[in-house]
Amino acid sequence: DQQVKQNSPSLSVQEGRISILNCDYTNSMFDYFLWYKKYPAEGPTFLISISSIKDKNEDGRFTVFLNKSAKHLSLHIVPSQPGDSAVYFCAARTEYNFNKFYFGSGTKLNVKP
Amino acid sequence: ETGVTQSPTHLIKTRGQQVTLRCSSQSGHNTVSWYQQALGQGPQFIFQYYREEENGRGNFPPRFSGLQFPNYSSELNVNALELDDSALYLCASSGRTGNNEQFFGPGTRLTVL
Repeated sequence: DQQVKQNSPSLSVQEGRISILNCDYTNSMFDYFLWYKKYPAEGPTFLISISSIKDKNEDGRFTVFLNKSAKHLSLHIVPSQPGDSAVYFCAARTEYNFNKFYFGSGTKLNVKP
Repeated sequence: ETGVTQSPTHLIKTRGQQVTLRCSSQSGHNTVSWYQQALGQGPQFIFQYYREEENGRGNFPPRFSGLQFPNYSSELNVNALELDDSALYLCASSGRTGNNEQFFGPGTRLTVL
């Protein structure tokens, strides 16, 4: 069962513009959400996270928004840079099973110079 | 600080064989999780080890087993390999406190022929 879904397999954005990556989930017990970035031949790298008690978390060019009622989160990258080109995964976990992370299938972001 | 390392990088096996993959956790981390990432999919949780004990398991059959050693390094063993076991196997290490992010290794690419 796919409890975390990323419905856009790919996204192409011009350098300097905003990139918006979306993620939907079905499990209302998820209380912690993360975004990971993955370059080819490397493991996923942690980018930013958000607890379910917040609706926004910002770290430099990266902002994650959480809409609990819609079971939706998004990652905004402003401004986008060519080095941001990678596959982005969202992940989630529950408080009662916090060692198990559920990942989406990923969105490949291409930032064009 | 040493990051998460995995060996081997690539591996080719035939159906029915057995395979052992290895992971060294990041310095100071006592928890290791294993994930299977099939082509075009996100990582799927196999199991986690904490202080040499299995501490949570995903929806994988018993032929997937693991070990964690006193130095917190870990092995993933897969018996009776099937074609569908072909995937990237990722190891992630983390500490045990609070909302801890997981730090991933580069993965082992397993091909089953």
